[in-house]
Amino acid sequence: DIVMTQSPDSLAVSLGERATINCKSSQSVLSSSNNKNYLGWYQQKSGQPPKLLIYWASTRESGVPDRFSGSGSGTDFTLTINSLQTEDVAVYYCQQYYSKQYTFGQGTKLEIK
Amino acid sequence: EVQLVESGGGLVQPGGSLRLSCGASGFTFSSYWMSWVRQAPGKGLEWVANIKQDGSEKYYADSVKGRFTISRDNAKNSLYLQVNSLRAEDTAVYYCARGSTESIYRYFDYWGQGTLVTVSS
Repeated sequence: DIVMTQSPDSLAVSLGERATINCKSSQSVLSSSNNKNYLGWYQQKSGQPPKLLIYWASTRESGVPDRFSGSGSGTDFTLTINSLQTEDVAVYYCQQYYSKQYTFGQGTKLEIK
Repeated sequence: EVQLVESGGGLVQPGGSLRLSCGASGFTFSSYWMSWVRQAPGKGLEWVANIKQDGSEKYYADSVKGRFTISRDNAKNSLYLQVNSLRAEDTAVYYCARGSTESIYRYFDYWGQGTLVTVSS
């Protein structure tokens, strides 16, 4: 299985500042056939199901604010949240779909400082 | 509006069984790969199983292989998960999630609210 490791496990950022969450895969999730990274990011607020934010490592899902952005390739990826808002408090997960056995990172809890 | 509504969870003794259901609406259910994803209390997300549009392909996490069975009824717009030989570590909220029309290798764009399975004596 592809192991996904996120860092940090938790993060406290001041309102209006930038939050950065990292995700590392144990093997590349970049496809040589289409040059796409099979990596998604989800946001899960307390008591709610996960919500898709980013797919193909950097494509924002419809309706997701543009302060959310994804970057990276191969094995190293980053979710960046610019100008942090109170509604961004949540746990964030990365997920690889390169393998039929999908795997998620352990999650990063984002709080307001 | 896409909706996924899970049901069938509850309290069950170790070794017991349950059948989880997920009713889909607002999209052409028969065109999509579908999955079950679970989340133990206070823990992260774990993919459990997925199924192709026509049910001809099914894949399982190693942790549930041989105990859980995914199925679907496209005429009823429903996804199912038969969970047998339950263990305490199967205690979790089970989510139904929509994949893609094109390929198994895709993200989940819609999730249900989940149904809680508690395994305890």
